[in-house]
Amino acid sequence: SYELTQPPSVSVSPGQTARITCSGDALPKQYAYWYQQKPGQAPVLVIYKDSERPSGIPERFSGSSSGTTVTLTISGVQAEDEADYYCQSADSSGTYGVFGGGTKLTVL
Amino acid sequence: QVQLVQSGAEVKKPGASVKVSCKASGYTFTGYYMHWVRQAPGQGLEWMGRINPNSGGTNYAQKFQGRVTMTRDTSISTAYMELSRLRSDDTAVYYCARAQYSGYDYWGVDYWGQGTLVTVSS
Repeated sequence: SYELTQPPSVSVSPGQTARITCSGDALPKQYAYWYQQKPGQAPVLVIYKDSERPSGIPERFSGSSSGTTVTLTISGVQAEDEADYYCQSADSSGTYGVFGGGTKLTVL
Repeated sequence: QVQLVQSGAEVKKPGASVKVSCKASGYTFTGYYMHWVRQAPGQGLEWMGRINPNSGGTNYAQKFQGRVTMTRDTSISTAYMELSRLRSDDTAVYYCARAQYSGYDYWGVDYWGQGTLVTVSS
């Protein structure tokens, strides 16, 4: 079955830039979506269609795509950004959805 | 405002089935796919499948095919997810989540239910 690969963890200091990658063979064909999840809460959509930001999401969150890798970038990281981040997409046929394994962002 | 309200926690024995409901309000129920996602304790998100509330058409993750059934009742704007032949590793929080935009090719979700904890234990 199709898989998306994320690093298990990323650590940054406050004010620095965090980059979280997500790799998958079908990403050139299918859009990626990014979610933030804090403990005990449902996920929140922070990026859709690779690079679009929903209303209410801070401008420091951005997304990009290059080949089989998409990247979530958080500029000027704040303590409140500490959370788990998941990418989501679909297989090349557009039949099955999939989530990446998640990346724990730690703000040092 | 969009709301998805799920049924309460369940405790089931191995081999049993569970049916979780998700009542939608604040939008046109038949206009947006409904996805089901689960999260085992301390683990990541896992996509289970989705249903088109208008047609009833479904896509199930290969892992769950044969064990999961997603249905809907448009008269009460409610989606259902039934998982059969439960095992201990099915213990998880189960979420319904509404697609952000309509369309078969759109996979992002923007509204989530509060989650339903299903515990499978003998």
